[in-house]
Amino acid sequence: RKEVEQDPGPFNVPEGATVAFNCTYSNSASQSFFWYRQDCRKEPKLLMSVYSSGNEDGRFTAQLNRASQYISLLIRDSKLSDSATYLCAVTRRGQNFVFGPGTRLSVLP
Amino acid sequence: DVKVTQSSRYLVKRTGEKVFLECVQDMDHENMFWYRQDPGLGLRLIYFSYDVKMKEKGDIPEGYSVSREKKERFSLILESASTNQTSMYLCASQEGDTEAFFGQGTRLTVV
Repeated sequence: RKEVEQDPGPFNVPEGATVAFNCTYSNSASQSFFWYRQDCRKEPKLLMSVYSSGNEDGRFTAQLNRASQYISLLIRDSKLSDSATYLCAVTRRGQNFVFGPGTRLSVLP
Repeated sequence: DVKVTQSSRYLVKRTGEKVFLECVQDMDHENMFWYRQDPGLGLRLIYFSYDVKMKEKGDIPEGYSVSREKKERFSLILESASTNQTSMYLCASQEGDTEAFFGQGTRLTVV
C-alpha cells in the first residue's frame, strides 16, 4: 500500500461548483500535512498547510482527520484558474516529505 | 523571498554520459530532496539529505547518486544516463515540520 494515496481524477466541474478532494495516509506517526497546487510543467507550490483544527483561506478549506488518517481539501465557487493538479503531502520531523500522486481538477466554463 | 534554484530548466544528454543536476537553496534549510516526476506516477523520491554529507535513499535510488558538501547545495548525479531517466527532476528544501519549497524543475531528455 502506498504511503499517501489520492484519487487521480480528473475531476471536471463547472465554474461555481464546490469540489472536494480526499487524501489518505498510512503512517500514523505523520505530524504535518499540506496541500500543494501544481500547474502544467511547473513546480508544486504550497496552497495551504493543514492544521488539526482545520483551516480556511478564502474559498479553500482544509481538514485533518487523524482517526481515519485522511486530509481533505474543499474548494468553493470554483474558478477557471483553479484548474491544476492538487497534491497532498505528509511529513514528520527528521523524515522525508511524502507526496500523493495528485488529483487533477479541470474547471469548465 | 525564499528561493530554491536548479541549475538548468532544460537539458539534453546522450546515453552513457555522466550528468550533474545542481540545486541551491538560500534558506539555510537542513533537509533537501530530489524527486523525479513522470506522467501518471507522481513525485517519486530519489534521495534526500538531512545534513551536510548525510544522505538517505528514497524510493528509486538506482542509477543515481547525490552529494551534499555544503548545506545550501544538493547535487544529483546520473552516473551513466539512460533513456529511462528522461524525466522532470525537482529539488526541494525544507526545515523541521514546515512546508517544502521547490526549485523550478529540470526537464532532462536522454537520447
